[in-house]
Amino acid sequence: EIVMTQSPATLSVSPGERATLSCRASQSVSSNLAWYQQKPGQPPRLLIYGASTRATGIPAKFSGSGSGTEFTLTISSLQSEDFAVYYCQQYNNWPPLTFGGGTKVEIK
Amino acid sequence: EVQLVQSGVEVKKPGESLKISCKGSGYIFINYWIVWVRQMPGKGLEWMGIIYPGDSDTRYSQSFQGQITISVDKSLSTAYLQWSSLRASDTAMYYCATSLDSDAFNIWGQGTVVTVSS
Repeated sequence: EIVMTQSPATLSVSPGERATLSCRASQSVSSNLAWYQQKPGQPPRLLIYGASTRATGIPAKFSGSGSGTEFTLTISSLQSEDFAVYYCQQYNNWPPLTFGGGTKVEIK
Repeated sequence: EVQLVQSGVEVKKPGESLKISCKGSGYIFINYWIVWVRQMPGKGLEWMGIIYPGDSDTRYSQSFQGQITISVDKSLSTAYLQWSSLRASDTAMYYCATSLDSDAFNIWGQGTVVTVSS
């Protein structure tokens, strides 16, 4: 089973600043990596797939990079609606389709 | 509109059985995998299993194998997640999801809250 590790667990960022979230896979997942955003009381929303492709309707402020085992989600100029929990997920080698533990982006 | 609509809140006692549903609409249901995901209170996302409605090919996470059954009724465009004997530890939000234009999951149901308590 591929283990996905996200860091940090919590990221405190001031509005208008940039946030950089990391996701590491225990073995290569090629570019088969997705990022999701989840706000309280809502289901997850797909932000990025293929490690760097924005999903439909996702603004350019969200960008993904990486391949193999190291991945990054960058959110530029955080606004109030961006404070949420972010999850990475690999879909290269399944079952299982594993999620990372999540990074909570909170207001500093 | 493409959507997955899940069944409503469930409150059950330990040992009871339960079947929750996820109905797809606005797309060709049988052509796309449906996944079930658990989220325990205050915790992260856990992949439980997946089913291909076209031929009912089903895969389970080892963590949930033997504890749940995933099924589908093609005629109703509905996927199901069921338990034969619930435990308090099954208390969680359960989501279904599907992927229509990539291998990541871009369509999610609204979630079903399951509470198991004596």
